Amino acid sequence: DTGVSQNPRHKITKRGQNVTFRCDPISEHNRLYWYRQTLGQGPEFLTYFQNEAQLEKSRLLSDRFSAERPKGSFSTLEIQRTEQGDSAMYLCASSPIQTEAFFGQGTRLTVV
Amino acid sequence: SQKIEQNSEALNIQEGKTATLTCNYTNYSPAYLQWYRQDPGRGPVFLLLIRENEKEKRKERLKVTFDTTLKQSLFHITASQPADSATYLCALRVYGGSQGNLIFGKGTKLSVKP
Repeated sequence: DTGVSQNPRHKITKRGQNVTFRCDPISEHNRLYWYRQTLGQGPEFLTYFQNEAQLEKSRLLSDRFSAERPKGSFSTLEIQRTEQGDSAMYLCASSPIQTEAFFGQGTRLTVV
Repeated sequence: SQKIEQNSEALNIQEGKTATLTCNYTNYSPAYLQWYRQDPGRGPVFLLLIRENEKEKRKERLKVTFDTTLKQSLFHITASQPADSATYLCALRVYGGSQGNLIFGKGTKLSVKP
C-alpha cells in the first residue's frame, strides 16, 4: 500500500512520560503536515515540512512538542512530559503540491 | 475574528434524497476550498477541491458550489446511500496564509437512513 502510514495507531501513556509518533508519507510527496484532532472538532494544524525543512509551526505547538523530518522522508512527532490535555488523534498528511492532502489513519494518544 | 463554520453538527436524511451541507467563512480570503470525508477512527479522505474563480465542481454523485460573495460553499450528495454516512469536513487554503495550513471546519455528521 502506498498511502500515508502512521505508527503506532494507538498509544496509552502516563502523564509526564515522553511519546514519539512516526509518519511515513507517500514516497513522491515532498510536503508533510501534522494535525491534531479532538472529539467533535476538525483537524488543527500543528506543523509543516517541505522536504526536510520545517517551514511553519502553529502556536498550538508548545515547547514540549518537536517534529523532525530527517532526509525529507519519514517524520517523527515527539511530545515530552505529556499532559492529559495532549490526549487527541494526531494526524499526518502529505501532498505533492499545494492542493489536496492525503491523510494517514492517525495515532490516537490517551494520557492517563 | 476569522471563522469557518459548518452549520449543522448532524444531518439525518432518507436514502435516495439529496444531502446538502453548508460551509460558511468570515474574514478569510480563500484561494480554494476543499471537502473531505472522515469515518470514525480514521483520517480524512479528500473528495473535491474548488478554486475561488470556479462556481461549481462535480464528481459522480457529488457537487460543490463556491460563492465568494456570500462566503459560502455548499456540498451536495445526490441519490444518497447509507454508505455515505460519515462526517464531512470543509477546509480553506487562504491567500497570505501558510503554505502548510489548511483551516478545517468542525464537520457535519451525515446519517443516511435506509
